[in-house]
Amino acid sequence: DIVMTQTPLSLSVTPGQPASISCKSSQSLLHSDGKTYLYWYLQKPGQSPQLLIYEVSSRFSGVPDRFSGSGSGTDFTLKISRVEAEDVGVYYCMQGIHLRFGQGTKLEIK
Amino acid sequence: QVQLQESGPGLVKPSGTLSLTCAVSGGSISSSNWWSWVRQPPGKGLEWIGEIYHSGSTNYNPSLKSRVTISVDKSKNQFSLKLSSVTAADTAVYYCAHLFSYYYYMDVWGKGTTVTVSS
Repeated sequence: DIVMTQTPLSLSVTPGQPASISCKSSQSLLHSDGKTYLYWYLQKPGQSPQLLIYEVSSRFSGVPDRFSGSGSGTDFTLKISRVEAEDVGVYYCMQGIHLRFGQGTKLEIK
Repeated sequence: QVQLQESGPGLVKPSGTLSLTCAVSGGSISSSNWWSWVRQPPGKGLEWIGEIYHSGSTNYNPSLKSRVTISVDKSKNQFSLKLSSVTAADTAVYYCAHLFSYYYYMDVWGKGTTVTVSS
Protein backbone atom coordinates (compact mmCIF):
# COMPACT_ATOMS: atom_id res chain seq x y z
CA ASP A 1 0.00 0.00 0.00
CA ILE A 2 1.22 3.51 -0.83
CA VAL A 3 1.48 5.67 2.29
CA MET A 4 1.15 9.44 2.07
CA THR A 5 2.97 11.60 4.63
CA GLN A 6 2.24 15.30 4.96
CA THR A 7 4.30 17.94 6.73
CA PRO A 8 3.68 20.02 8.66
CA LEU A 9 0.51 18.78 10.31
CA SER A 10 -0.44 22.32 11.20
CA LEU A 11 0.65 25.80 10.30
CA SER A 12 -0.36 29.30 11.28
CA VAL A 13 0.08 31.96 8.64
CA THR A 14 -0.31 35.73 8.58
CA PRO A 15 -2.69 36.91 5.84
CA GLY A 16 -0.76 37.90 2.75
CA GLN A 17 2.15 35.61 3.56
CA PRO A 18 2.96 32.41 1.66
CA ALA A 19 2.37 28.88 2.88
CA SER A 20 3.77 25.55 1.78
CA ILE A 21 2.72 21.96 2.50
CA SER A 22 4.79 18.92 1.66
CA CYS A 23 3.44 15.51 0.74
CA LYS A 24 5.65 12.47 0.31
CA SER A 25 4.53 9.10 -0.98
CA SER A 26 6.14 5.77 -0.12
CA GLN A 27 6.22 4.84 -3.80
CA SER A 28 6.35 6.76 -7.04
CA LEU A 29 2.97 8.04 -8.19
CA LEU A 30 4.05 8.06 -11.84
CA HIS A 31 1.78 5.58 -13.54
CA SER A 32 2.66 3.52 -16.60
CA ASP A 33 0.20 5.68 -18.55
CA GLY A 34 2.50 8.68 -17.99
CA LYS A 35 0.21 10.45 -15.55
CA THR A 36 1.10 11.22 -11.93
CA TYR A 37 -1.95 10.67 -9.77
CA LEU A 38 -1.44 13.23 -7.01
CA TYR A 39 -4.24 15.50 -5.86
CA TRP A 40 -4.82 18.20 -3.27
CA TYR A 41 -8.11 18.77 -1.47
CA LEU A 42 -9.18 21.43 1.00
CA GLN A 43 -11.80 20.76 3.65
CA LYS A 44 -13.06 24.03 5.04
CA PRO A 45 -14.61 23.96 8.52
CA GLY A 46 -17.95 22.21 8.50
CA GLN A 47 -17.80 21.49 4.77
CA SER A 48 -17.16 18.59 2.44
CA PRO A 49 -13.71 18.35 0.86
CA GLN A 50 -13.18 20.31 -2.33
CA LEU A 51 -10.72 19.62 -5.11
CA LEU A 52 -7.92 22.15 -5.55
CA ILE A 53 -5.23 20.50 -7.68
CA TYR A 54 -5.16 17.39 -9.85
CA GLU A 55 -2.29 15.53 -11.50
CA VAL A 56 0.28 17.37 -9.38
CA SER A 57 -0.08 20.86 -10.78
CA SER A 58 -3.37 21.44 -12.63
CA ARG A 59 -5.74 23.80 -10.86
CA PHE A 60 -9.36 22.66 -10.78
CA SER A 61 -12.02 24.95 -12.19
CA GLY A 62 -12.56 28.06 -10.09
CA VAL A 63 -9.49 27.58 -7.88
CA PRO A 64 -7.60 30.87 -7.41
CA ASP A 65 -4.18 31.09 -9.02
CA ARG A 66 -2.55 31.75 -5.64
CA PHE A 67 -2.72 27.95 -5.24
CA SER A 68 -0.07 25.96 -7.06
CA GLY A 69 1.14 22.40 -6.99
CA SER A 70 4.48 20.96 -7.94
CA GLY A 71 6.61 17.87 -7.60
CA SER A 72 7.25 14.52 -9.18
CA GLY A 73 7.74 10.89 -8.32
CA THR A 74 7.36 10.76 -4.55
CA ASP A 75 7.75 14.39 -3.44
CA PHE A 76 5.04 16.98 -3.88
CA THR A 77 4.27 20.47 -2.64
CA LEU A 78 1.22 22.67 -2.41
CA LYS A 79 1.97 26.37 -2.22
CA ILE A 80 -0.29 29.29 -1.45
CA SER A 81 1.39 32.46 -2.63
CA ARG A 82 -0.59 34.82 -0.40
CA VAL A 83 -2.81 33.29 2.25
CA GLU A 84 -6.28 34.72 2.68
CA ALA A 85 -8.72 34.22 5.54
CA GLU A 86 -10.92 31.99 3.36
CA ASP A 87 -8.06 29.50 2.97
CA VAL A 88 -8.41 28.14 6.50
CA GLY A 89 -9.16 24.46 6.80
CA VAL A 90 -7.46 21.12 6.44
CA TYR A 91 -5.47 20.34 3.32
CA TYR A 92 -5.14 16.75 2.18
CA CYS A 93 -2.95 15.27 -0.49
CA MET A 94 -4.27 12.11 -2.10
CA GLN A 95 -2.72 9.51 -4.31
CA GLY A 96 -4.97 8.21 -7.04
CA ILE A 97 -3.33 4.85 -7.65
CA HIS A 98 -4.96 3.29 -4.61
CA LEU A 99 -6.93 6.33 -3.44
CA ARG A 100 -5.25 7.08 -0.11
CA PHE A 101 -5.18 10.41 1.67
CA GLY A 102 -2.41 12.01 3.68
CA GLN A 103 -3.06 12.79 7.33
CA GLY A 104 -4.07 16.35 6.58
CA THR A 105 -2.50 19.73 7.35
CA LYS A 106 -4.50 22.25 9.31
CA LEU A 107 -4.04 25.84 8.18
CA GLU A 108 -4.93 28.61 10.58
CA ILE A 109 -4.70 32.36 10.29
CA LYS A 110 -2.51 34.29 12.74
CA GLN B 1 -23.82 19.94 -12.63
CA VAL B 2 -24.13 16.67 -10.75
CA GLN B 3 -25.36 16.88 -7.16
CA LEU B 4 -25.16 14.14 -4.56
CA GLN B 5 -27.20 13.52 -1.42
CA GLU B 6 -26.48 10.86 1.17
CA SER B 7 -29.24 9.31 3.23
CA GLY B 8 -29.63 6.54 5.76
CA PRO B 9 -29.92 5.75 9.47
CA GLY B 10 -27.86 7.96 11.74
CA LEU B 11 -27.56 5.27 14.40
CA VAL B 12 -26.49 1.66 13.95
CA LYS B 13 -26.03 -0.97 16.63
CA PRO B 14 -22.67 -2.70 17.11
CA SER B 15 -22.32 -5.84 14.99
CA GLY B 16 -25.08 -4.56 12.73
CA THR B 17 -24.92 -3.39 9.12
CA LEU B 18 -24.57 0.23 8.11
CA SER B 19 -26.58 1.04 4.97
CA LEU B 20 -26.40 4.34 3.12
CA THR B 21 -27.67 5.59 -0.22
CA CYS B 22 -26.37 8.37 -2.42
CA ALA B 23 -28.93 9.95 -4.74
CA VAL B 24 -27.53 11.43 -7.93
CA SER B 25 -29.24 14.43 -9.52
CA GLY B 26 -28.31 16.67 -12.43
CA GLY B 27 -26.72 13.80 -14.29
CA SER B 28 -26.91 10.10 -15.00
CA ILE B 29 -25.25 7.48 -12.89
CA SER B 30 -24.64 5.66 -16.16
CA SER B 31 -22.14 8.27 -17.29
CA SER B 32 -18.62 7.03 -17.86
CA ASN B 33 -17.41 7.81 -14.37
CA TRP B 34 -16.96 6.20 -11.01
CA TRP B 35 -18.92 6.77 -7.82
CA SER B 36 -17.15 6.68 -4.48
CA TRP B 37 -17.65 6.52 -0.75
CA VAL B 38 -15.29 8.29 1.67
CA ARG B 39 -15.58 8.51 5.43
CA GLN B 40 -14.18 10.71 8.19
CA PRO B 41 -14.18 9.65 11.85
CA PRO B 42 -14.75 12.47 14.33
CA GLY B 43 -11.72 14.76 14.43
CA LYS B 44 -9.77 12.57 12.04
CA GLY B 45 -8.77 12.46 8.40
CA LEU B 46 -10.38 11.12 5.25
CA GLU B 47 -10.53 7.43 4.37
CA TRP B 48 -11.55 6.13 0.96
CA ILE B 49 -13.96 3.21 1.27
CA GLY B 50 -14.54 2.14 -2.30
CA GLU B 51 -15.99 2.95 -5.71
CA ILE B 52 -18.39 1.58 -8.28
CA TYR B 53 -18.87 1.99 -12.03
CA HIS B 54 -22.34 1.94 -13.52
CA SER B 55 -21.60 -1.50 -14.94
CA GLY B 56 -21.27 -2.77 -11.39
CA SER B 57 -17.48 -3.04 -11.32
CA THR B 58 -16.13 -2.20 -7.88
CA ASN B 59 -12.87 -1.43 -6.10
CA TYR B 60 -12.58 -1.45 -2.33
CA ASN B 61 -10.10 -0.31 0.28
CA PRO B 62 -8.33 -3.54 1.31
CA SER B 63 -8.67 -2.61 4.98
CA LEU B 64 -12.48 -2.69 4.65
CA LYS B 65 -12.96 -5.06 1.74
CA SER B 66 -14.24 -8.00 3.78
CA ARG B 67 -17.09 -5.90 5.20
CA VAL B 68 -18.01 -3.55 2.34
CA THR B 69 -20.48 -3.85 -0.50
CA ILE B 70 -21.16 -1.00 -2.91
CA SER B 71 -23.98 -1.37 -5.40
CA VAL B 72 -25.69 0.73 -8.03
CA ASP B 73 -29.37 1.12 -8.90
CA LYS B 74 -29.58 2.69 -12.34
CA SER B 75 -33.38 2.80 -12.29
CA LYS B 76 -33.25 5.09 -9.25
CA ASN B 77 -30.07 6.90 -10.29
CA GLN B 78 -28.41 6.10 -7.00
CA PHE B 79 -25.70 3.99 -5.46
CA SER B 80 -25.41 2.44 -2.05
CA LEU B 81 -22.96 1.41 0.65
CA LYS B 82 -23.29 -1.49 3.05
CA LEU B 83 -20.76 -2.02 5.83
CA SER B 84 -21.26 -5.10 7.96
CA SER B 85 -20.15 -6.05 11.47
CA VAL B 86 -19.79 -2.44 12.50
CA THR B 87 -18.07 -1.28 15.67
CA ALA B 88 -17.60 2.10 17.32
CA ALA B 89 -14.58 2.59 15.05
CA ASP B 90 -16.98 2.88 12.11
CA THR B 91 -18.58 6.00 13.60
CA ALA B 92 -17.92 8.71 11.04
CA VAL B 93 -19.27 11.19 8.57
CA TYR B 94 -19.83 9.29 5.33
CA TYR B 95 -19.49 11.15 2.05
CA CYS B 96 -20.40 10.04 -1.44
CA ALA B 97 -18.47 11.52 -4.32
CA HIS B 98 -18.37 11.60 -8.12
CA LEU B 99 -15.03 10.50 -9.52
CA PHE B 100 -14.28 11.85 -12.98
CA SER B 101 -12.68 8.96 -14.80
CA TYR B 102 -10.32 10.76 -17.16
CA TYR B 103 -8.40 12.59 -14.46
CA TYR B 104 -9.52 10.26 -11.67
CA TYR B 105 -10.39 13.05 -9.30
CA MET B 106 -13.38 13.44 -6.98
CA ASP B 107 -14.89 16.71 -8.15
CA VAL B 108 -18.37 16.59 -6.62
CA TRP B 109 -19.10 15.58 -3.06
CA GLY B 110 -22.26 15.15 -1.06
CA LYS B 111 -22.69 17.11 2.17
CA GLY B 112 -22.03 13.98 4.20
CA THR B 113 -24.12 12.08 6.69
CA THR B 114 -23.15 11.22 10.25
CA VAL B 115 -23.42 7.61 11.32
CA THR B 116 -22.94 6.67 14.95
CA VAL B 117 -22.40 3.08 16.03
CA SER B 118 -23.78 2.63 19.51
CA SER B 119 -26.13 0.41 21.43
